[in-house]
Amino acid sequence: DVKVTQSSRYLVKRTGEKVFLECVQDMDHENMFWYRQDPGLGLRLIYFSYDVKMKEKGDIPEGYSVSREKKERFSLILESASTNQTSMYLCASSFPRSGTGGNTIYFGEGSWLTVV
Amino acid sequence: GENVEQHPSTLSVQEGDSAVIKCTYSDSASNYFPWYKQELGKGPQLIIDIRSNVGEKKDQRIAVTLNKTAKHFSLHITETQPEDSAVYFCAASKAGYQKVTFGTGTKLQVIP
Repeated sequence: DVKVTQSSRYLVKRTGEKVFLECVQDMDHENMFWYRQDPGLGLRLIYFSYDVKMKEKGDIPEGYSVSREKKERFSLILESASTNQTSMYLCASSFPRSGTGGNTIYFGEGSWLTVV
Repeated sequence: GENVEQHPSTLSVQEGDSAVIKCTYSDSASNYFPWYKQELGKGPQLIIDIRSNVGEKKDQRIAVTLNKTAKHFSLHITETQPEDSAVYFCAASKAGYQKVTFGTGTKLQVIP
């Protein structure tokens, strides 16, 4: 069964702390994504990786960085957490799209981060 | 970049009625349009998708339609059931790109 696992479901961090959100997938997918979900704003892409050590900025990368040292693991890093980063964070993975075909994105269950 | 707009943001229907969610996209190069369902406390899950060479696709009680000229696509759920209550996201993607742009979501409530 397909699985994207986010290690922490609920976190409370203080302003200025460095925060790590970890994600592991067991499907040997090349693509991995970090999204942020906020009411009324939908799913916004923070960063995307299409291979080990490769990354691309999404729509809202400011204040975040990522690390992909192994194919199955993709980490989101908040260098200095701020209250406006309080949100639900979703990790996802997929095989690459090829040609005109589509591809299913598999999501984890999300990590709720509160920054106080 | 691509912009996907989704309406309505909330939708309440009586059990057994139909529900329709509409999306528009801005990039005429987009050619793949998936729909995701997010149940409470879970991540979104693909329920149906359509490619630009197809105008309509059905899977039991759900169907999607695509109008490429108008850059508009819709999700139709017939004979709604309480378990259809969830947040639904439309999305768009173009060939050669790995990124998917999501709409802002529709919270569907099916009233028993």
